[in-house]
Amino acid sequence: DAGVIQSPRHEVTEMGQEVTLRCKPISGHDYLFWYRQTMMRGLELLIYFNNNVPIDDSGMPEDRFSAKMPNASFSTLKIQPSEPRDSAVYFCASSSRQGFTGELFFGEGSRLTVL
Amino acid sequence: RKEVEQDPGPFNVPEGATVAFNCTYSNSASQSFFWYRQDCRKEPKLLMSVYSSGNEDGRFTAQLNRASQYISLLIRDSKLSDSATYLCVVPKGGNTPLVFGKGTRLSVIA
Repeated sequence: DAGVIQSPRHEVTEMGQEVTLRCKPISGHDYLFWYRQTMMRGLELLIYFNNNVPIDDSGMPEDRFSAKMPNASFSTLKIQPSEPRDSAVYFCASSSRQGFTGELFFGEGSRLTVL
Repeated sequence: RKEVEQDPGPFNVPEGATVAFNCTYSNSASQSFFWYRQDCRKEPKLLMSVYSSGNEDGRFTAQLNRASQYISLLIRDSKLSDSATYLCVVPKGGNTPLVFGKGTRLSVIA
């Protein structure tokens, strides 16, 4: 079975450019999470969706960040405009309809570098 | 107190050693606790859940101390392949998303 699929795996861009990260969750999982990981701050929850509806976006750092989930099999995280401090690994994760059982299935991450 | 706190390490131990990590949490209402493992430049993966009575899986033992609000992970007979970062995970409160600690880095040395 396919796991959580993220793209791109690596992105290098210049400050001010728009960045779009994509995620396909595991089929049948009702929850989707976007996390960001840096050395300084560890793994931070940005936003999560339940049944495609955003539930908590309090972790989204600024208005420059936005996330959508148009259907059960696809989500995007967009940064516009990007800044060097956005450089991080962005992980998408999904979990089953049983909710927060503890097992989040993570994608391999998108490593973003903003120059 | 931060939501989840861990000693970042690194813990450098020889093969065969026993090593233990602690993690403290702030939300006394938290019911579920977990340990995740993250290999270098990889995604986190669930290692084990932590039950009130403790949990043991082979060489790994996880325990919960509610009174002092910490959970622990004990690894016996360390292997080179245990080298990784171990993330302590706690819900914010109730049935809510998980908060990850920054992790404790373990290096097992031959």
